[in-house]
Amino acid sequence: GAGVSQSPRYKVAKRGQDVALRCDPISGHVSLFWYQQALGQGPEFLTYFQNEAQLDKSGLPSDRFFAERPEGSVSTLKIQRTQQEDSAVYLCASSLVGATGEQYFGPGTRLTVT
Amino acid sequence: GENVEQHPSTLSVQEGDSAVIKCTYSDSASNYFPWYKQELGKRPQLIIDIRSNVGEKKDQRIAVTLNKTAKHFSLHITETQPEDSAVYFCAASPMDSSYKLIFGSGTRLLVRP
Repeated sequence: GAGVSQSPRYKVAKRGQDVALRCDPISGHVSLFWYQQALGQGPEFLTYFQNEAQLDKSGLPSDRFFAERPEGSVSTLKIQRTQQEDSAVYLCASSLVGATGEQYFGPGTRLTVT
Repeated sequence: GENVEQHPSTLSVQEGDSAVIKCTYSDSASNYFPWYKQELGKRPQLIIDIRSNVGEKKDQRIAVTLNKTAKHFSLHITETQPEDSAVYFCAASPMDSSYKLIFGSGTRLLVRP
């Protein structure tokens, strides 16, 4: 079946612009995660949803970052007033259950802030 | 919170040789340890995982070992092939937030033909 998809795959934003990154998880997956991956580093946890509930947003770097999953499926990560340090690959992952289990990753959105 | 350290950062082996990547973790209550493979420009993909009630797990040429006392776990790839070339990430799930994965910084493996 279809895996996790993300759009856009690449985004160039001028500093100060707002961006919205979309994630379509695997159908039926309860859990959805956002990670930030800087160049040459491992993914870093940003936030976690179980269905439509955002249960953990402890990894969001600042209040410029906002994530939502209003109907428990598609999720959007929004970054307001982008800064150069926001440049990274943003990975979305989903898993079937809410507890520990395999996370299936999307291809990521590479954000470049100029 | 949990901290995962991974080494080496780069590893070059001859085709057919074995490769070993090691990770240590700080939270003794962590209970799930997956390994992901990420090819250049691609998504991370799970290749093997182990839970804290098991000491070793194998899947064809890949094996993972876990030493809970020492808080370290290792990935072993035997009979390496050029297509094994990629970046490998270890991760750990802390007990107090078991849905979360804390990743190591990655190991770039190059298998020379």
